[in-house]
Amino acid sequence: AQSVTQLDSHVSVSEGTPVLLRCNYSSSYSPSLFWYVQHPNKGLQLLLKYTSAATLVKGINGFEAEFKKSETSFHLTKPSAHMSDAAEYFCVVGFLNDYKLSFGAGTTVTVRA
Amino acid sequence: ETGVTQSPTHLIKTRGQQVTLRCSSQSGHNTVSWYQQALGQGPQFIFQYYREEENGRGNFPPRFSGLQFPNYSSELNVNALELDDSALYLCASSFRLAGDEQYFGPGTRLTVT
Repeated sequence: AQSVTQLDSHVSVSEGTPVLLRCNYSSSYSPSLFWYVQHPNKGLQLLLKYTSAATLVKGINGFEAEFKKSETSFHLTKPSAHMSDAAEYFCVVGFLNDYKLSFGAGTTVTVRA
Repeated sequence: ETGVTQSPTHLIKTRGQQVTLRCSSQSGHNTVSWYQQALGQGPQFIFQYYREEENGRGNFPPRFSGLQFPNYSSELNVNALELDDSALYLCASSFRLAGDEQYFGPGTRLTVT
């Protein structure tokens, strides 16, 4: 079975400190992996994607993620959190033999001033 | 480039009624997927349309149905509404490749009373 697990349901950080959101996946095939962000009352916005090129992927707004096949992980990081980063973040997996995207349960990020 | 749009933004229906939600895909995209996002959860795949035919379906009953039109816009129809159908319904468009990133609209918030 193909699935994705977000290890933290809620992360709270101070403005200007690093952010780490953890994601593990399980799959028998090489996956495409994505991080999406959802601000309150908004749709989903693509932050970045991994599709078997470079293992370190840079996205928008200073976010980046590293694909580690040996650990089946795709953790999202940002060196310095901003108040505008407060949102819900979803780790998402897709496969070339499948038509749908499968979402993790989400991680809520709050940023303290 | 025009993004994914959805209408209406909000909708309130009574249990047992029928509802139609609409989606216009992003320019150049030929595949539309629909997702249901219950409060506090990640989106769940309903179905996908490609070339006006259903291309895949998630674990949703037949009272959830859809259409895709020649201009790649799409409708989601839900019959015999139940209270548990209350959710944010998201439309996403993409190119044909499975496992590719999908671009989401802002969603339609459906409340069933």
